[in-house]
Amino acid sequence: GAVVSQHPSRVICKSGTSVKIECRSLDFQATTMFWYRQFPKQSLMLMATSNEGSKATYEQGVEKDKFLINHASLTLSTLTVTSAHPEDSSFYICSAREQQGGRTDTQYFGPGTRLTVL
Amino acid sequence: AQSVAQPEDQVNVAEGNPLTVKCTYSVSGNPYLFWYVQYPNRGLQFLLKYITGDNLVKGSYGFEAEFNKSQTSFHLKKPSALVSDSALYFCAVRDGNTGNQFYFGTGTSLTVIP
Repeated sequence: GAVVSQHPSRVICKSGTSVKIECRSLDFQATTMFWYRQFPKQSLMLMATSNEGSKATYEQGVEKDKFLINHASLTLSTLTVTSAHPEDSSFYICSAREQQGGRTDTQYFGPGTRLTVL
Repeated sequence: AQSVAQPEDQVNVAEGNPLTVKCTYSVSGNPYLFWYVQYPNRGLQFLLKYITGDNLVKGSYGFEAEFNKSQTSFHLKKPSALVSDSALYFCAVRDGNTGNQFYFGTGTSLTVIP
């Protein structure tokens, strides 16, 4: 299957700093990428849909000024957590949509980034 | 509205026995259905999907799932469970007619007992 990478896999930062997480589709082009947040023992919560060359679409309740998303190319989307606070500590997972007609429409997920804000 | 239900938070099965992880869905259009597996502190790995065609879909690691339109179900199955199958399993649905968004179930934790 297709491969999606995420970097870093784990980051610890101080409260008030900003953290950037990269999501790359390694062997396919993704016009659409998604950012999820997962709390312990819970399902994925969609934060935003990242569209190449245009503004991201944020889900209700997600602060777009706090979680900055940039999808500058067909293989890279970044999520920047600005002015991080301890409550932002979570597991962040990206996914990229491989779309070659309806039959191969599948989301492939990155390995996740564990963010800890002290 | 689109939604997915996984009625069981936890499934326990003995090694070598068949396993089933249940999933039901609700979509207004054509359902595209997916199963993913997640190991601790890892992202989700794609197992299999149903888009169209044969109702029985075979996927990775010996897993299969059967699309049942009348029961709006897409249960994940494996004939003989392995201890290494122990993980968190997520069912997801997308409306094939509209939109990008995948809707995920709440996940089912599978434990295979040696």
